[in-house]
Amino acid sequence: EDQVTQSPEALRLQEGESSSLNCSYTVSGLRGLFWYRQDPGKGPEFLFTLYSAGEEKEKERLKATLTKKESFLHITAPKPEDSATYLCAVRSDTGRRALTFGSGTRLQVQP
Amino acid sequence: GAVVSQHPSWVICKSGTSVKIECRSLDFQATTMFWYRQFPKQSLMLMATSNEGSKATYEQGVEKDKFLINHASLTLSTLTVTSAHPEDSSFYICSARAEGNGYTFGSGTRLTVV
Repeated sequence: EDQVTQSPEALRLQEGESSSLNCSYTVSGLRGLFWYRQDPGKGPEFLFTLYSAGEEKEKERLKATLTKKESFLHITAPKPEDSATYLCAVRSDTGRRALTFGSGTRLQVQP
Repeated sequence: GAVVSQHPSWVICKSGTSVKIECRSLDFQATTMFWYRQFPKQSLMLMATSNEGSKATYEQGVEKDKFLINHASLTLSTLTVTSAHPEDSSFYICSARAEGNGYTFGSGTRLTVV
């Protein structure tokens, strides 16, 4: 069974204070690891897909990295508008087409 | 980019009535659609997976007679919550995917059963 664990559960940062969110996963074979941003009362918004260990992707202040056991979402010099819940999800090669989600990290960036 | 439209964004219904939620892929044909349920401060839990023209595959513990899913076309899937009760109150989110592409999510529907 696919499992995704995210930490910390919640994180409060000052504006400009860089940090990282962790996503640990257990799958029989990884077909993709996904990062989404979710604002309150909204659906998840796609950020990145990573497919193999060593891969990195960047978008503005966000950078996602992947190893064989975990992924990190690095946030550099965050702004208040980066406040949201960040969700990590995996798709495995078991034939299951749906994503399995972690419980998310609630990020609050204070001005 | 791929857009998924979900309606309504919120609905309040009386206990015992049924509610239908629509999920449309606006600019692509979705070979597969997914329905998730999310409780406050919790993650998305998959309810069912559906392919166009075939019966949905429900996750263990999800009542197929209570949560009716129809995927009649490549751009439309509906979730009907039948005989809704207060414990069905939740945030329901759909996701659509075209083969070889990523997963796009709708904006969600907040269901409140009173």
